[in-house]
Amino acid sequence: SQTIHQWPATLVQPVGSPLSLECTVEGTSNPNLYWYRQAAGRGLQLLFYSVGIGQISSEVPQNLSASRPQDRQFILSSKKLLLSDSGFYLCAWSLGDTQYFGPGTRLTVL
Amino acid sequence: GESVGLHLPTLSVQEGDNSIINCAYSNSASDYFIWYKQESGKGPQFIIDIRSNMDKRQGQRVTVLLNKTVKHLSLQIAATQPGDSAVYFCAENRGGGSYIPTFGRGTSLIVHP
Repeated sequence: SQTIHQWPATLVQPVGSPLSLECTVEGTSNPNLYWYRQAAGRGLQLLFYSVGIGQISSEVPQNLSASRPQDRQFILSSKKLLLSDSGFYLCAWSLGDTQYFGPGTRLTVL
Repeated sequence: GESVGLHLPTLSVQEGDNSIINCAYSNSASDYFIWYKQESGKGPQFIIDIRSNMDKRQGQRVTVLLNKTVKHLSLQIAATQPGDSAVYFCAENRGGGSYIPTFGRGTSLIVHP
């Protein structure tokens, strides 16, 4: 069966520091991968998606970037965090219509 | 895309009651719909899905109803339990290979013992 991992689970970072969040998927090949952000009490905002290694589509202009160095690895990065980057970051995978989500990373920027 | 709003709609029910959570979707071309459950601090979990060629689908204690005429989707939970307390999201997906669903803003279900 497929599983999706995200780490770290929680992160507290100062403004201006770099960020690297990692997502890996097991048990499947060539999945579509997604990064979402969820602000408290709000819905899901799609940040990036990828249909293959090295292929990244950005949905929202911002100071975040994403990379897919391996088939089942998706990384969300920033060179300098802003206060507004705080939120709950979710990675998801799909092979068709249905997305399956990871456990999320709670990021607090102080 | 992002769902915006300061406060989530909330549904409060007593344990043992049936719950109905509603969702209006916007795209008449959408042909696949999903309900997710998100517990506090966790990622959304897939509950049940339905394709546009159906108007009803049943799972374990859950039923999804689809009314394409009015673009309305509902999730019915039978004999609601405290463990059902969570935020429930609907998602619509347009056919033709588009794998970017549009999520609803979510409804908070609170089950009182």
